[in-house]
Amino acid sequence: EPEVTQTPSHQVTQMGQEVILRCVPISNHLYFYWYRQILGQKVEFLVSFYNNEISEKSEIFDDQFSVERPDGSNFTLKIRSTKLEDSAMYFCASSRGQGKQGYTFGSGTRLTVV
Amino acid sequence: AQTVTQSQPEMSVQEAETVTLSCTYDTSENNYYLFWYKQPPSRQMILVIRQEAYKQQNATENRFSVNFQKAAKSFSLKISDSQLGDTAMYFCAFMKPMRLTGANSKLTFGKGITLSVRP
Repeated sequence: EPEVTQTPSHQVTQMGQEVILRCVPISNHLYFYWYRQILGQKVEFLVSFYNNEISEKSEIFDDQFSVERPDGSNFTLKIRSTKLEDSAMYFCASSRGQGKQGYTFGSGTRLTVV
Repeated sequence: AQTVTQSQPEMSVQEAETVTLSCTYDTSENNYYLFWYKQPPSRQMILVIRQEAYKQQNATENRFSVNFQKAAKSFSLKISDSQLGDTAMYFCAFMKPMRLTGANSKLTFGKGITLSVRP
């Protein structure tokens, strides 16, 4: 069964450093998403992406965040200057249609900011 | 804005028994989609079941079924013949309909419930 692949599975970074979280969505999917889950809390929407542009973003997704689909297969989330409160599990997801069938999530990247 | 409430933080069930996980939501939309996702210790989010609000028939997927009460804005998940592999966190999620072509819609999640299946 097709999978959404995320790398790395775990990343530790120093406060103030830039990080790039990488995702390879399912190849025939057209809609892409990033969510995050702070440990023990609920899953929160960050951003959705379609046709090479952001469709919607949450208030969490401030100027420190950006997304890109650089080569037609990868979908990346960049955090420019990480803060301690950015420590969380970050999930990438994709869907073929507009999401009403449900997304396929990746297995997540655990980001630890020290 | 939509909200999803899962008021039970955790539940426990004996293997082979049936358990029901509760979820309520609040929306002014008439048509929408509801989902249950499972998050096992591996942390991956796995779609368990989905329901379209305009369908009166409750969705069923093998041992998993829902009790969708639209007027009450309730969407509970029933797991029959519980198995040890069902031990996980379960999230209820809401999606409003997409009105624009090309617009993808976000999921709004509840806080989740931790289900433990006892051998």
